[in-house]
Amino acid sequence: GESVGLHLPTLSVQEGDNSIINCAYSNSASDYFIWYKQESGKGPQFIIDIRSNMDKRQGQRVTVLLNKTVKHLSLQIAATQPGDSAVYFCAENNYGGSQGNLIFGKGTKLSVKP
Amino acid sequence: DAGVIQSPRHEVTEMGQEVTLRCKPISGHDYLFWYRQTMMRGLELLIYFNNNVPIDDSGMPEDRFSAKMPNASFSTLKIQPSEPRDSAVYFCASSINIQGPNTEAFFGQGTRLTVV
Repeated sequence: GESVGLHLPTLSVQEGDNSIINCAYSNSASDYFIWYKQESGKGPQFIIDIRSNMDKRQGQRVTVLLNKTVKHLSLQIAATQPGDSAVYFCAENNYGGSQGNLIFGKGTKLSVKP
Repeated sequence: DAGVIQSPRHEVTEMGQEVTLRCKPISGHDYLFWYRQTMMRGLELLIYFNNNVPIDDSGMPEDRFSAKMPNASFSTLKIQPSEPRDSAVYFCASSINIQGPNTEAFFGQGTRLTVV
């Protein structure tokens, strides 16, 4: 088993504020990106995806921004709620926009203070 | 639909023993994925199937790991013999597609494996 734990970056925000979670991806050929949310003791849950021919995509209370020039992805959560507390992962893929072999980032822990 | 169902939720076994993890994907989903999650390495794809056929097993760490999908509603991930470094949470996920629309993967609750 693991002998050393990996400390996740943590973002702490006040309830009602907006949250921005950042992700730097590694492969300039990646053309499909997904954000996942993982609550304690549960599996990852799909939040939103974006393809490389877009630079912005909006969902319900969430927005994903893609900057291919600097290989940067961000997830913005509007009016953050306690239920948003979780670990957020970005994932990239360069398999023609396929989810077949996603590469996941290490994750960011979001903590929402009431 | 009950979602992706994995069993067991927790497994503790001794080094050298065989371990079998089970997964029932969502009905109608043609793709099934096995992932492993550890603090050190994060979430890694081990293997995925399309219509019960293994497509990419390049993530399977060693020959000790094997996965099967005998039918559309059942898959197993087997580790034989197990080692302490296999301790992790193993997730199964399924999706309708992997390209185009309906690519969202739905994850199960995971199996926490501890090898002592």
